[in-house]
Amino acid sequence: SSDLTQDPGVSVALGQTVRITCQGDSIRNWHASWYQQKPGQAPVLVIFGTNNRPSGIPDRFSGSNSGNTTSLTITWAQAEDEADYYCMSRDSSGSHLLFGGGTKLTVL
Amino acid sequence: QVQLQESGPGLVKPSETLSLACSVSGGSVTSYHWSWIRQPPGKRLEWIGSLFNTGKIEYSPSLKSRVSMSQDTSKNQFFLRLKSVTAADTAIYFCARLARVGSWYYFDFWGQGTLVPVSS
Repeated sequence: SSDLTQDPGVSVALGQTVRITCQGDSIRNWHASWYQQKPGQAPVLVIFGTNNRPSGIPDRFSGSNSGNTTSLTITWAQAEDEADYYCMSRDSSGSHLLFGGGTKLTVL
Repeated sequence: QVQLQESGPGLVKPSETLSLACSVSGGSVTSYHWSWIRQPPGKRLEWIGSLFNTGKIEYSPSLKSRVSMSQDTSKNQFFLRLKSVTAADTAIYFCARLARVGSWYYFDFWGQGTLVPVSS
């Protein structure tokens, strides 16, 4: 399958740690990137190359891989982290790009 | 700092062609790779296609028969054309810079997006 599968919704208590996962065969061969999107705004890159942060992204955001699953971890979750999160990678054949279905993160 | 700005018609009629431009500042269109991404209201992001600085172009398999991308180096712009549109093509259209480092692909700069309704 060339799909990237994400849980539709995840919640986390303020100040706690949350992991958002993205599963797909292509993850075994291609590094994923993660995007944060708040309502009415363009997506923002938060992780690239599986576990690299662009400048300006807090170190509370980190990434990791295990087999066919890539994960975005947010430690010490803040209210401003409430957003939709999308993973993106190459497809298994390496011929095109694709996004996961997105995960809506709620900070309680 | 790279900045991108989408421009195009505010409304497209069914069966017509959607045409968008992305103006790039802070970098040359010939030096990087560029992409179009769209998002129907309330739905997920969908990659449309990418234009590489080698001249190679990749399109989404689901849109390949209707989409084309090009660039104008004199204007430092790149373009999207999507023909035979239907209501299902109503979406916010984003242009973005695509970075590639080995097996890393990521969109590091995005335009603000432009909503294109398809309606008669």
